[in-house]
Parts: sequence; C-alpha cells; structure tokens
Amino acid sequence: AQSVTQLGSHVSVSEGALVLLRCNYSSSVPPYLFWYVQYPNQGLQLLLKYTSAATLVKGINGFEAEFKKSETSFHLTKPSAHMSDAAEYFCAVSGNTGGFKTIFGAGTRLFVKA
Amino acid sequence: DVKVTQSSRYLVKRTGEKVFLECVQDMDHENMFWYRQDPGLGLRLIYFSYDVKMKEKGDIPEGYSVSREKKERFSLILESASTNQTSMYLCASSPSEWTSSNEQFFGPGTRLTVL
Repeated sequence: AQSVTQLGSHVSVSEGALVLLRCNYSSSVPPYLFWYVQYPNQGLQLLLKYTSAATLVKGINGFEAEFKKSETSFHLTKPSAHMSDAAEYFCAVSGNTGGFKTIFGAGTRLFVKA
Repeated sequence: DVKVTQSSRYLVKRTGEKVFLECVQDMDHENMFWYRQDPGLGLRLIYFSYDVKMKEKGDIPEGYSVSREKKERFSLILESASTNQTSMYLCASSPSEWTSSNEQFFGPGTRLTVL
C-alpha cells in the first residue's frame, strides 16, 4: 500500500529565508510523486511532479524537490520565501498499483513572516 | 487551460436533506474524482470514475453516491446529509485511464455545512 507522511503540520519562516517542507512516502512500486499548493479558498494546483526522469524536479514559483529513493523522501524547497508563498502544501504519491488513485499527505501550512 | 468548476462555493443544508454537488470539466478528461478535505486529514477519496457511467469506491464512500451520465460531469450525492459530512468537497479530473503519472486538476471546492 502507498502512503505519504508530511512532517510538520505548520511551518513558519521569515521572508527571504529558505523554505523546506518535508515529505516521506511508502510505495511498493516506483512511485510518481507530486507537490500541490492550495491558496486560501481555492482548489489545489500542481507545483511539480516526479515521474522517474531527473531526480531534481523544478516547479513553478521557484520551488523544487529532490527524489531520494534511499531515503524515500521528496522534500520541497525554495531558496527565498515570499509573502505570497503562504499557503497549504500537499505531497502526494501514485503508482501502478491501484491505477490512477493518488494518495495525499495531511498537508503542511506555510506561514511567512515579514 | 483546464477548467474544473463546481456548482457552489458555499452550501448550507439541514440534517436529512438530499444534497447534490455538481462538477464539470471542460478538457475531455477520462478520470474524475471527489474528495473531502478536513483539517489534519488531507484529502480523502470518496469516489472516482474513469469513464461515463463507471464508478469506483474510494476510501470513504459511506453515506455518498455518485453519478456520471456525461463525460464532462460528475455529481456527488449525499442521500441523507448528516452533521459529520460538514466538510470541504473538492472535485478533480485527470486525463488518460491507464497512467497514474498524470496530475489532477482541481475545482475551487464546495464548503458544505450541515446543520
């Protein structure tokens, strides 16, 4: 069975500081991994996805994530936080078992302080 | 751009009412999904559909049913609403039946309150 664990339900950073949101996954097959962002009162939108090409994946708004198979991790980073990055972030995994079902983590809410 | 629309942003219903949540996508996607989102629990899959008139139970289908009569439209039905169904409901769609590498495209959500 596949699962996703996001470490930290809330993360607070200062504007201009590094953003690091942690995600660990469990999958018995090579996974597809995603990060989605949800701004207040909106649906989710894709930030980036890993589909077994390059292990370092670049996404929108300056975010990137690195797939580390040995650590079963897919942490999301951004070098310099902006106030507009304040949102909730979801890590997700899907794979060839269960077809096109995607399993979402519980989410991490990012706060950015001025 | 893919657009997924949901019939209501906010909805207030009474216990025991029958509730319909409608979702429409305009990109000819095969797959459609209904999730509920609750604080600390992330998104939980209620039902999904990979083709017209096809449906599969997700992880929490109890108390819900769905209908997909047309490819672009996927409805979630609460036969008899209860207070524990107060939640944010998100609809999503994705292309292609046979790959799980595809991202899902989400609607804005419906915040349902059952009194």
